[in-house]
Amino acid sequence: QSVLTQPPSVSEAPRQRVTISCSGGTSNIGNHAVNWYQQLPGKAPKLLIYYNDLLPSGVSDRFSASKSGTSASLAISGLQSGDEADYYCVAWDDSLNDYVFGTGTKVTVL
Amino acid sequence: QVQLQQWGAGLLKPSETLSLTCAVYGGSFSGYDWNWIRQSPGKGLEWIGEINHSGSSNYSPSLKSRATISVDTSKNQFSLKLSSVTAADTAVYYCARLNGGTRDFDHWGQGTLVTVSS
Repeated sequence: QSVLTQPPSVSEAPRQRVTISCSGGTSNIGNHAVNWYQQLPGKAPKLLIYYNDLLPSGVSDRFSASKSGTSASLAISGLQSGDEADYYCVAWDDSLNDYVFGTGTKVTVL
Repeated sequence: QVQLQQWGAGLLKPSETLSLTCAVYGGSFSGYDWNWIRQSPGKGLEWIGEINHSGSSNYSPSLKSRATISVDTSKNQFSLKLSSVTAADTAVYYCARLNGGTRDFDHWGQGTLVTVSS
């Protein structure tokens, strides 16, 4: 069962901006870095953001993220049809001694 | 260019042992931790465990009693065995590389669908 809570879905028109929240607790987000993954339909997850707000090489700067306290958020600006995917946040949890994943958010471009 | 390629049996009966292997091509094998993660419709993404090149492993507490991860450094491969499977173990299983410095899974295998059914 997922420990990190995300909205099930968000949708917006092309070229607009969406944000996805990820809510956790002191044992996970509050004490560890958050990573974000994009999963296109039928594909493996792909690292999108690491160490809270850093972009891996090759990832568009339309993606950005931040962390504050026990919550994190991912923003996608200039929304494109190719951004339609599921997005997951992940962090280590000290209490569970486990990596905990978010519930996932499906992004739809209207 | 780092690539992870995985394989294993896709259909199991209850009580059998799941067995998957992941081969790593490109990049350093000894400098990273190697992980297994699964994804099922009911439970979403779930970390199974990790191993380093020395064979030191860690597991999710929820699967520790049934999971075994091993490594073959001569082939740059690592493997997962999950014993006594049930229908609840039906999922897509992924191998992934963990970047130890930033603790992110930066490269993933293509995934293997494992179905447990009598």
